[in-house]
Amino acid sequence: GENVEQHPSTLSVQEGDSAVIKCTYSDSASNYFPWYKQELGKGPQLIIDIRSNVGEKKDQRIAVTLNKTAKHFSLHITETQPEDSAVYFCAASNTGNQFYFGTGTSLTVIP
Amino acid sequence: GAVVSQHPSRVICKSGTSVKIECRSLDFQATTMFWYRQFPKQSLMLMATSNEGSKATYEQGVEKDKFLINHASLTLSTLTVTSAHPEDSSFYICSATRGLGTDTQYFGPGTRLTVL
Repeated sequence: GENVEQHPSTLSVQEGDSAVIKCTYSDSASNYFPWYKQELGKGPQLIIDIRSNVGEKKDQRIAVTLNKTAKHFSLHITETQPEDSAVYFCAASNTGNQFYFGTGTSLTVIP
Repeated sequence: GAVVSQHPSRVICKSGTSVKIECRSLDFQATTMFWYRQFPKQSLMLMATSNEGSKATYEQGVEKDKFLINHASLTLSTLTVTSAHPEDSSFYICSATRGLGTDTQYFGPGTRLTVL
């Protein structure tokens, strides 16, 4: 089955700096890679996703890159703000609907 | 949008009682719904996948007789924790997809279950 690894587990950045979270996956059949943001006591919220036919996708301060050959994808947050502080999860799916989640990254943006 | 709600948001019950958690897709029809369990500072653990009108598919190690899942309509799935014990205390989260062939999952806000 699929195995998704996520690094780092914790990340602290100064407000205004960039944050990068990386995930690797093992199943070359995976073709959908969403990123979720989870605030304390709440459910995960989809923030951006990418499919395997695209190498990069951007939405304002958030971008995701995908390297299919190396089987890794990354979340990039620029100009970080305190409200970006949360736990971020990556996931991989092969359109069988089942998601394989990473272990999460706790991001703290220091004002 | 793609809004998923859960009810209740928090529940405290006594050991041995049963608790029902509802998951609703508010603005779309959800062919498939998923139930997850999340322990503090850990990732989401898939418990089961349910398709409207059919029996749920449980993940290995999840007791189907303890965690009863019903997906009676395209907008509602329920998870019933039967004969709850303190070790069942957890954060339960549901998610839903819009339909066959679409794989984006939209998550509910979660339900915090505490069993005394």
